[in-house]
Amino acid sequence: EVQLVESGGGLVQPGRSMKLSCAASGFTFSNYGMAWVRQAPTKGLEWVATISYDGSSTYYRDSVKGRFTISRDNAKSTLYLQMNSLRSEDTATYYCTRGKYSFAYWGQGTLVTVSS
Amino acid sequence: VQMTQSPSYLAASPGESVSISCKASKSISNNLAWYQEKPGKANKLLIHSGSTLQSGTPSRFSGSGSGTDFTLTIRSLESEDFAVYYCQQYNEYPPTFGGGTKLELK
Repeated sequence: EVQLVESGGGLVQPGRSMKLSCAASGFTFSNYGMAWVRQAPTKGLEWVATISYDGSSTYYRDSVKGRFTISRDNAKSTLYLQMNSLRSEDTATYYCTRGKYSFAYWGQGTLVTVSS
Repeated sequence: VQMTQSPSYLAASPGESVSISCKASKSISNNLAWYQEKPGKANKLLIHSGSTLQSGTPSRFSGSGSGTDFTLTIRSLESEDFAVYYCQQYNEYPPTFGGGTKLELK
């Protein structure tokens, strides 16, 4: 059974950093592109970043370019999202997803709240 | 690519059939997916490539369309189908989602 379990969310002040992790199991992690998708409170889904199966290619939405970094450790079957210079508009539940184009599996999400 | 879903809210009864529209601001070929969101559950990919059912998706779900206009149809609604549905294009970066359609029990 495919499982994606996010961790690392919480309350953070504007301008500070936070790193999210996603532990994957139930499939060969190193074979798949992975992505982060977020959802602000009472809002819709918004793609954040994607990484290729081997980490050689990464893609970001414009609003997070230069601030967020997606990475992966295939030996640990873990996906990461390093978030720097956080803003109030980054407040959202962040979902780890499997896929580079469509997202076949999703985690339950981890809530990031950016507030002073 | 902007994705526009309609309606935003839809009320129906079990046994009825419903359709949700998704329009792209430019042609996306058939590079469209549909997702189901339910409280306390992981989001579920229902359909990809416009009309291909993901493994495990009940056959009462169907997708159609290509280019800019797409439709998700659910025949003979069951109680478990009341949820929020999103379309998503993956024809080009950035992938973009529709605003969602909340299907409620009438």
